[in-house]
Amino acid sequence: SQTIHQWPATLVQPVGSPLSLECTVEGTSNPNLYWYRQAAGRGLQLLFYSVGIGQISSEVPQNLSASRPQDRQFILSSKKLLLSDSGFYLCACLTGFGNTIYFGEGSWLTVV
Amino acid sequence: SQQGEEDPQALSIQEGENATMNCSYKTSINNLQWYRQNSGRGLVHLILIRSNEREKHSGRLRVTLDTSKKSSSLLITASRAADTASYFCATDGNQFYFGTGTSLTVIP
Repeated sequence: SQTIHQWPATLVQPVGSPLSLECTVEGTSNPNLYWYRQAAGRGLQLLFYSVGIGQISSEVPQNLSASRPQDRQFILSSKKLLLSDSGFYLCACLTGFGNTIYFGEGSWLTVV
Repeated sequence: SQQGEEDPQALSIQEGENATMNCSYKTSINNLQWYRQNSGRGLVHLILIRSNEREKHSGRLRVTLDTSKKSSSLLITASRAADTASYFCATDGNQFYFGTGTSLTVIP
């Protein structure tokens, strides 16, 4: 079965600094990959999804960008963080074998 | 939200009682799924119900789906303190949208 690794697990960054969150997937190939953000005590907001290498769809205009340089690697980036970028970021994947998506353990980002 | 809404937003019950959560969604679906999230963790898949199914059971979980009303419910029977978590519904498609979640607290 697939395993999703996210790092870093926790990050505190100053306003205006860059961001890079990485997600890698093991145990599957050609997955759909997703980045979600969850504000404290709130639901999940889909930020980006990717159906293949170099293919990124953005759901909501953000101060963020995503890239998929390899089949099982998904990166969330920002050039200049805002306070409102704080939250819990979750990477998820959907394999070709079913309709269930699997989540990583998340990355906590606090922008100060 | 981008797709669905759960209600209630928060639910507090005594251990042993049943917990019912509802989910409404906006567009046509092939499947609807329920997930659980412990505080500060990733989401874990609980159960999937297909659009041509009306009810599905898994252990203490019972899910119903009414596509005419674009709604689903999740029933947890004989709740336990360990069921304390947030519960989300998700609709399928490339995008996989989630609802806003129901925060369930089971009091021992």
